[in-house]
Amino acid sequence: DIQMTQSPSSVSASVGDRVTITCRASQGISSWLAWYQQKPGKAPKLLIYAASSLQSGVPSRFSGSGSGTDFTLTISSLQPEDFATYYCQQANSFPTTFGQGTRLEIK
Amino acid sequence: EVQLVQSGAEVKKPGESLKISCKGSGYSFTSYWIGWVRQMPGKGLEWMGIIYPGDSDTRYSPSFQGQVTISADKSISTAYLQWSSLKASDTAMYYCARPSGLDPRGYFDYWGQGTLVTVSS
Repeated sequence: DIQMTQSPSSVSASVGDRVTITCRASQGISSWLAWYQQKPGKAPKLLIYAASSLQSGVPSRFSGSGSGTDFTLTISSLQPEDFATYYCQQANSFPTTFGQGTRLEIK
Repeated sequence: EVQLVQSGAEVKKPGESLKISCKGSGYSFTSYWIGWVRQMPGKGLEWMGIIYPGDSDTRYSPSFQGQVTISADKSISTAYLQWSSLKASDTAMYYCARPSGLDPRGYFDYWGQGTLVTVSS
C-alpha cells in the first residue's frame, strides 16, 4: 500500500492567517491526490482533486499544489468555518489510502 | 440532487452479524462505484472497499478482505456492508461514498451521513 504522511498532525492558527499543510506519498502518485475537510460529527467534504483542482462550490482561499510525492494544501486567509481536520487521499492505486489527518485549531 | 442515505446506528454484541445499507438517489445507481470508509473513534479515514452496482465488480483493501462483505442490490439502488461475526474492534463510524467519475480509485465527491456501529458485550 502507498503510505500517506501528513504534517503537521495539528496546527493552531488565527482567523486571517495563511496555513499550509503538507502530504507526502511513500511512492510517486503523479497528481492523483485529493484533500478533504471534516468537521466533528460530519462526513468528509472534498475540497481539492487532481492535486490542484478546486471542487465546485469550495471557496477560492483553498488551493492545492504538488505532484509526484510531495503535496500541499494552502488556506490563504483562515475563516472561522475552516477550523476542522484535513485529510489527503491518494487515488493512484489500490487500495486508495488517506493521510492520518491534520487538525486545524483556533489559536 | 445526488444523495446517499445510510441506515441508522447499530448496537451489537461480539459474535453477532450485521448488514448496514446505503441508498443512492438522484443519479444512475448502476453507473457509478460506491465505496465504504471506516473511521474508528477519534481516528482517521480508512478505505475498505468498493463495488460497481452495474455488474457487482468488487474490490477490497487487503486490510479488510475476508473481514467484511460488500454487496449491492441495483433493483433498489442500495449498497451494503456486512459482517458475519462482529468484534469490539469493529466499533466505528462507517461511511459510504461515491467517486466522482468512473474510476474506482477516484475521489469521493458524495458521502453518506455515516452509520455508527457499536460492538460491546
